[in-house]
Amino acid sequence: DVKVTQSSRYLVKRTGEKVFLECVQDMDHENMFWYRQDPGLGLRLIYFSYDVKMKEKGDIPEGYSVSREKKERFSLILESASTNQTSMYLCASSYPRGTSGSPSTDTQYFGPGTRLTVL
Amino acid sequence: AQSVTQLDSQVPVFEEAPVELRCNYSSSVSVYLFWYVQYPNQGLQLLLKYLSGSTLVKGINGFEAEFNKSQTSFHLRKPSVHISDTAEYFCAAFTGNQFYFGTGTSLTVIP
Repeated sequence: DVKVTQSSRYLVKRTGEKVFLECVQDMDHENMFWYRQDPGLGLRLIYFSYDVKMKEKGDIPEGYSVSREKKERFSLILESASTNQTSMYLCASSYPRGTSGSPSTDTQYFGPGTRLTVL
Repeated sequence: AQSVTQLDSQVPVFEEAPVELRCNYSSSVSVYLFWYVQYPNQGLQLLLKYLSGSTLVKGINGFEAEFNKSQTSFHLRKPSVHISDTAEYFCAAFTGNQFYFGTGTSLTVIP
């Protein structure tokens, strides 16, 4: 059965803290994604990765960075958390790889989400 | 710019009534379309997808959607809703090299 897990369901951090959100998939997927979900704005892509050590910026990468050292794990990093980064963060993965290194057109499988509050 | 529009942010409907959730996309190139459902406190789950072929796509839980290229629409329908269909529904498009999600429609089924 397909599974994408995220390290925490709920997280509370203080402004200025460095925050790590971890995502692990057990499907041997090549593509992984980080989104944030906000009321009235839907899902917005932060970063995606189509291979180990590869990363591409999405629509809203500012204030975030990512790390993909292993195929199954994709980490989202908030270098210095701010209150406007309070949000629901969703990780997703997909397979197979699209052409020219672009993300696959196939189904994205989502994790349960991490609700981050920055005080 | 590519975009996905879900005009209805909230749709209340009585149990066993039909429902249509609207989705329009803007794209001048080939597009692949998806509907996802998000139950409370859960991640997104794929309902159905259109990649090519028949424009009427059937998904899980009795949902279906029709791709209409001339109207650039991909509306989701169900002939008879159940209480358990209460959830947030997202339309998404893959075009170019990126996924684009709509802002979501909250479906509330009233007993």
